Amino acid sequence: QKEVEQNSGPLSVPEGAIASLNCTYSDRGSQSFFWYRQYSGKSPELIMFIYSNGDKEDGRFTAQLNKASQYVSLLIRDSQPSDSATYLCAVNLQLGNQFYFGTGTSLTVIP
Amino acid sequence: KAGVTQTPRYLIKTRGQQVTLSCSPISGHRSVSWYQQTPGQGLQFLFEYFSETQRNKGNFPGRFSGRQFSNSRSEMNVSTLELGDSALYLCASSLQGSYNEQFFGPGTRLTVL
Repeated sequence: QKEVEQNSGPLSVPEGAIASLNCTYSDRGSQSFFWYRQYSGKSPELIMFIYSNGDKEDGRFTAQLNKASQYVSLLIRDSQPSDSATYLCAVNLQLGNQFYFGTGTSLTVIP
Repeated sequence: KAGVTQTPRYLIKTRGQQVTLSCSPISGHRSVSWYQQTPGQGLQFLFEYFSETQRNKGNFPGRFSGRQFSNSRSEMNVSTLELGDSALYLCASSLQGSYNEQFFGPGTRLTVL
């Protein structure tokens, strides 16, 4: 089992819809969870981070963390074509205190 | 505040050569992490430096090494290059360490021929 797993997609949603991206992780002791967005040919940029169970909202983005089930998700409301990118889940695993990325989910928002 | 800078942006080398990549973190950030990104493997952690000390290391061979200077700038060195080392090398800086949010530089695209 990989340390961080994401559905690679591609995920396509119509403009204005909600996009739901999911991520699971292996280390139950993980404390920090991050979502990055990476446009083609660019470096990853931080969207959100979450440390506590529950939801965290920032504009159109909501991160959800469930430590008991070891998953973290990202919801994008009112999806826009400019949201089309690869979304990377990153987890700071307690074991070895290393930072692991999932392989990313490719999202396409169709106008 | 200036972002993370990496030099050079592009490099072409041949097998057997060595290469040094440079990363300047955001002012005030003491942690620099290095990652290798390839289409097949995604982003893979190489190592993290904090206050001139290597704090964490990923599962890469000893040909990959790094260091950090007193001004927090970091260099990564790859010796005896192999074709499989062709990748985008990204560095990321953070205030205290990889458990904080990290900010990425634009990357160095290395091609090994």
